[in-house]
Amino acid sequence: NAGVTQTPKFRILKIGQSMTLQCTQDMNHNYMYWYRQDPGMGLKLIYYSVGAGITDKGEVPNGYNVSRSTTEDFPLRLELAAPSQTSVYFCASSYWDRDAEQYFGPGTRLTVT
Amino acid sequence: GENVEQHPSTLSVQEGDSAVIKCTYSDSASNYFPWYKQELGKRPQLIIDIRSNVGEKKDQRIAVTLNKTAKHFSLHITETQPEDSAVYFCAAPGNDYKLSFGAGTTVTVRA
Repeated sequence: NAGVTQTPKFRILKIGQSMTLQCTQDMNHNYMYWYRQDPGMGLKLIYYSVGAGITDKGEVPNGYNVSRSTTEDFPLRLELAAPSQTSVYFCASSYWDRDAEQYFGPGTRLTVT
Repeated sequence: GENVEQHPSTLSVQEGDSAVIKCTYSDSASNYFPWYKQELGKRPQLIIDIRSNVGEKKDQRIAVTLNKTAKHFSLHITETQPEDSAVYFCAAPGNDYKLSFGAGTTVTVRA
């Protein structure tokens, strides 16, 4: 099993550009998450999904959108990139949401200049 | 949501000594407390977790203790080794079951 995979690994965007961060998991997990990690700030939840077709906002959703058309894929869309979106983005998945281990992808380092 | 505070933010220990990281949480209904380790440039990975029906859990050199009355839980690493150098995150779920993470503790083990 590859686990959770993310592409790209690195990306530099200009202000106002858009992009999609890809996330795929092969563990048949229903629950998937997107986090951003800023230095010294821990992990902040952007969006999450409890299954195909169902998504909901996390703590910091502004400037992002998600979709979940399949169990495996959970892409994160950035529209009109801003410098405040410079961060490392992690996708994660879990079998259950209450007390289950979350498996993280390798992360995408995004810089907006 | 849940409010998780983690201390200290940095911790430097001599190889072989112990390291202790403490987290406090706000939601008294929280019942699951995981700890994640993130090595430099890598993804976070679960190292140990504890549920509210126990007060302590051990796995070799790491242990976690939970005090539900005081709403805090701690990670203990004994006989620290260079490979223990990493950032450690605690987490707790809020009433929406979503995990809130602490800000992290950077542990440096000095040889």
